[in-house]
Amino acid sequence: DGGITQSPKYLFRKEGQNVTLSCEQNLNHDAMYWYRQDPGQGLRLIYYSQIVNDFQKGDIAEGYSVSREKKESFPLTVTSAQKNPTAFYLCASSIAGTVNYGYTFGSGTRLTVV
Amino acid sequence: AQKVTQAQTEISVVEKEDVTLDCVYETRDTTYYLFWYKQPPSGELVFLIRRNSFDEQNEISGRYSWNFQKSTSSFNFTITASQVVDSAVYFCALPGGGGSEKLVFGKGTKLTVNP
Repeated sequence: DGGITQSPKYLFRKEGQNVTLSCEQNLNHDAMYWYRQDPGQGLRLIYYSQIVNDFQKGDIAEGYSVSREKKESFPLTVTSAQKNPTAFYLCASSIAGTVNYGYTFGSGTRLTVV
Repeated sequence: AQKVTQAQTEISVVEKEDVTLDCVYETRDTTYYLFWYKQPPSGELVFLIRRNSFDEQNEISGRYSWNFQKSTSSFNFTITASQVVDSAVYFCALPGGGGSEKLVFGKGTKLTVNP
C-alpha cells in the first residue's frame, strides 16, 4: 500500500543534541512538507520541497534543517539551536507539486526533550 | 494574506447529537480550494473533503455535510448523529495563495463525543 512512513513514532532527546526525524513516501509525490503541531497552535510549516535537491523555508524554519536527496525521502533535523523542540511533527506530501490536491500525511513523530 | 479561523477550540456533545464545526477564511485569490482534515487520537491527519470555490453546492457524504458560503467566507462542517468514533481534532485549510505550494491550517477544533 502506498503511503508516508514517519519514524520513530516517539523520540526523546537530551538538550543540546541534534536529532533527525525520518519521512519516506512511496506515492511518487513530487512535493513534501514538514509541519509542527503544538497544543492549541494548529499546524505550522517548517520546510517544504517541491523537487529533489531543492527546498524552501516555511514559517518557523529556525533551528531546523532538511535535505531532499531522493524523491522518496525528506528527513528533518532538529538542531540544538531550536529552543523549544518538544512537539508533534507531521510530514506530508502532495501530487505533482500542486497543493490544490491537498496533502497525504504521515502518522507523526512525537519529540520530547528531556 | 491567507488565513483560516476556527473559533471553536473545543466542543463536547453527547452521542447522536448533531454538531457543526465552523471555519472562516480570508484569501486574496479569486479561485481557491478549501479542505477539511480529521486528526484522530492516533495523530495522522485524514483527508475529508476538498471544495473548489466555483462550486457552492453543499456536499453530503453519509453523516457528514459541508456548507460553503462564499459570501461569508465560511466553510462549515456538520456531523449528523455523532458517534464516539467522531472524536478527533478537525482542521480546516486552504492554499497559501499566489502560487504558494503550502496549505494554511486553522488551529483546529477538538470534538469530543461522549457515549
